Formats: sequence, structure tokens, C-alpha cells
Amino acid sequence: DVKVTQSSRYLVKRTGEKVFLECVQDMDHENMFWYRQDPGLGLRLIYFSYDVKMKEKGDIPEGYSVSREKKERFSLILESASTNQTSMYLCASRQNNEQFFGPGTRLTVL
Amino acid sequence: AQSVTQLDSQVPVFEEAPVELRCNYSSSVSVYLFWYVQYPNQGLQLLLKYLSGSTLVKGINGFEAEFNKSQTSFHLRKPSVHISDTAEYFCAVSPLTDYKLSFGAGTTVTVRA
Repeated sequence: DVKVTQSSRYLVKRTGEKVFLECVQDMDHENMFWYRQDPGLGLRLIYFSYDVKMKEKGDIPEGYSVSREKKERFSLILESASTNQTSMYLCASRQNNEQFFGPGTRLTVL
Repeated sequence: AQSVTQLDSQVPVFEEAPVELRCNYSSSVSVYLFWYVQYPNQGLQLLLKYLSGSTLVKGINGFEAEFNKSQTSFHLRKPSVHISDTAEYFCAVSPLTDYKLSFGAGTTVTVRA
């Protein structure tokens, strides 16, 4: 079975803090994605990576950056967290037209 | 660009009753279509997908969906639901030549005894 893991299920941070969300997949997939999920908006793509060190902006990249130094790991970085970044963050990896999702990290920014 | 509209935000249903979740999409190119389910406090799990071939697609847990190209719809159905089907359901599309998925806003299904 494909496994996508995320470093934290719940995270509470203060405004202005730098926040790292980590995602690891164990199936050697080239493509990885970060989404945020908000009620009534579904999932929106923040960034994706189609290979190591390669990244592309999604629909809502403002306030975020990403890092992919190794194939299995894709990190989402909030350089200076703000309250409007309080959300559920979901990571996914992709193979053969199917995306496999991690359990999500619920981030609260106070 | 693609857009996905899920026509119902909330669907209450009694146990053993049928359920239909409606999904319409718009796209200027051909797309693949997906339904995902999210159980409380979990990530998304693929229910079924349409890539090509038969327009009636069967998925896990007794769900099926029908692709209608002329109406640009991909409605999800289950003939008899269980309490354990209580979850949020997302319809998504992806262009044939792109990595990205575009999601609908989701439909919350609540099954009551």
C-alpha cells in the first residue's frame, strides 16, 4: 500500500512564526502536492513538485514556499505565519493519474 | 482552466436508503474524473475514477458513478447506504496532459439510523 505521512496531525503556532510542514511518501513517486482545505472551498493547490528540486506554483502560493531536496520528502514552509493561514493542510503524491493523500495537518495560527 | 461544481453541500439520508451526489464540471479540454471520500479526521481516499471506456464506473464500498459527456456530469450513487458512509465526498477533474486536480467544494453526507 502507498503510504503518505505528515509530520504532525495538529499544530498551533503564533503569528509571525516560521512553520514547517513535512510530508514523506514511500513509493518513489515523482510528483508531490500540497493543498489546503477550507470549509465550502474544497481543496486548493498551493504548490506541487514534479521531481527533486523542481517545483511549480499552484492556485494559491502567496505566503508559502516549498522544498524538495529528496524524492520522498516535500516540505511546505510558511515564512511568517498569519491567522488567515489557519487551515487543514493535505499532502499528496501521484502515480498513474491517481493522487494518494496523507492524513492532513490541522494548523491553527493564533 | 477547469472548474467543478458539487450541487449539494449537505445530503442527509436514512440508513439503507439510496443516495446520489451530483457533480458538474467545465473544461475546454478532455479530463479524467474522480470521486474521493474523506472520513472524519482522515485524509482523502479514492472511491473511483473515470479515465476512458465504459461510462459507468464502479468503485469501492458499493459506490458507482456515471460519466455523461454531453451534460459534463459525473454523478455518484449508492443504492443502499450505511452509517459508516457518513463522510465528506469530493468530485475532482484533471486534464489528460496535466498533473493537477481541481476539486469541488465537497458534499457532506450524514447517514441516520
